Amino acid sequence: EVRLVESGGDFVQPGGSLRLSCTASGFTFSSYWMSWIRQAPGKGLEWVANIRPDGGDQSYVDDSVRGRFTISRDNAKNSLYLQMNRLRADDTAVYYCINHSSGNLGQGTLVTVSS
Amino acid sequence: DIVLTQSPLSLPVTPGEPASISCRSSQSLMDSNGNNYLHWYLQKPGQSPQLLIYMGSNRASGVPDRFGGSGSGTDFTLKISRVEADDVGVYYCMQVLLALSFGGGTKVEIK
Repeated sequence: EVRLVESGGDFVQPGGSLRLSCTASGFTFSSYWMSWIRQAPGKGLEWVANIRPDGGDQSYVDDSVRGRFTISRDNAKNSLYLQMNRLRADDTAVYYCINHSSGNLGQGTLVTVSS
Repeated sequence: DIVLTQSPLSLPVTPGEPASISCRSSQSLMDSNGNNYLHWYLQKPGQSPQLLIYMGSNRASGVPDRFGGSGSGTDFTLKISRVEADDVGVYYCMQVLLALSFGGGTKVEIK
């Protein structure tokens, strides 16, 4: 059974940092493109960043996160990460990791940025 | 960037009746092997999105067979053969051919 479990969400002040993790099981993690997506309160789903299976290529939605967020992976640990720096109020959202090919996603982890 | 356009925005349905949602892409989502990189999700009120259909037409594990996905290239459809009260929520299509992007969502509610 494919399983994705996100963790690391928290309440943080503007300008702070968080590192989100996603632990995968039930599939060959190292073979798949992975992404982080997010959903702000009352809003739709938004893609944040993706990463190639070998970790050698990453893309970000736009300049609003590029330079502040870094996506990475550790295939030996079946894990995906999102390092988020200089957090802003509009980064408040539930963050999900997603397997591109299967479409499976986890239950999400909540990030709240507020003073 | 690939833009996905869903219709309708809102869909009032009658239990027991069929329902259909369209997702149109600004460019083809089919690769040279005939794979369509389009998934469908349902987000029930207060819950995380759940995968219904992957790669255009494959039902995800545990999804009732009243849900069906069809289409190819730029035009896709999610069909519910007989709507149940538990099917209410927002339905999203998502493409994974080029980066990743979502349709705007279709809110399904009971009449």
